[in-house]
Amino acid sequence: ILNVEQSPQSLHVQEGDSTNFTCSFPSSNFYALHWYRWETAKSPEALFVMTLNGDEKKKGRISATLNTKEGYSYLYIKGSQPEDSATYLCALLNDAGGTSYGKLTFGQGTILTVHP
Amino acid sequence: ETGVTQSPTHLIKTRGQQVTLRCSSQSGHNTVSWYQQALGQGPQFIFQYYREEENGRGNFPPRFSGLQFPNYSSELNVNALELDDSALYLCASSFDRTYGYTFGSGTRLTVV
Repeated sequence: ILNVEQSPQSLHVQEGDSTNFTCSFPSSNFYALHWYRWETAKSPEALFVMTLNGDEKKKGRISATLNTKEGYSYLYIKGSQPEDSATYLCALLNDAGGTSYGKLTFGQGTILTVHP
Repeated sequence: ETGVTQSPTHLIKTRGQQVTLRCSSQSGHNTVSWYQQALGQGPQFIFQYYREEENGRGNFPPRFSGLQFPNYSSELNVNALELDDSALYLCASSFDRTYGYTFGSGTRLTVV
């Protein structure tokens, strides 16, 4: 059973601050790690899909790293803006193999609020 | 690409009733999954359909059932509703596991 923990649970920062949060997991027995951004009243939006130890992905001011050996992934936001306010979810996609794409096991999420 | 749409957006049902939630997946996505998000928790996997067959199920009782249709639409059916079924239900589709899933904005179900 995969257990995904995210920290902190919530975070308040000022506009322009850089911030990061953590997704931790006890096992490397998964196919991929996903990061999603979920704004209120909208759909969760895929940010990154990472599969390899040492993976680093970047999308504008947001980047993520994956360390499967030590069991964590970091999400960084550089120069936070009010529009970055959202819940950030981390999820592990199990390695189901074959034609079964498997399930996502989510953490509880980190709620980020960026104050102007 | 039209994304994933879910209907209805909100629903109130009485304990013991049955409910059907609907999802229209992104065109070309042959895998659809349903998730339940209770208050204060991350989404929990209910089940997954691949080419109209259930091929994965989470820790949910049989009164949670589903269907996937050839036109990329799907349904989640819940029988004998309980108060604890009150939650946000998310539908997600994918065509390849190297990409992120495309989610709908969910159906908020309240059981009274």
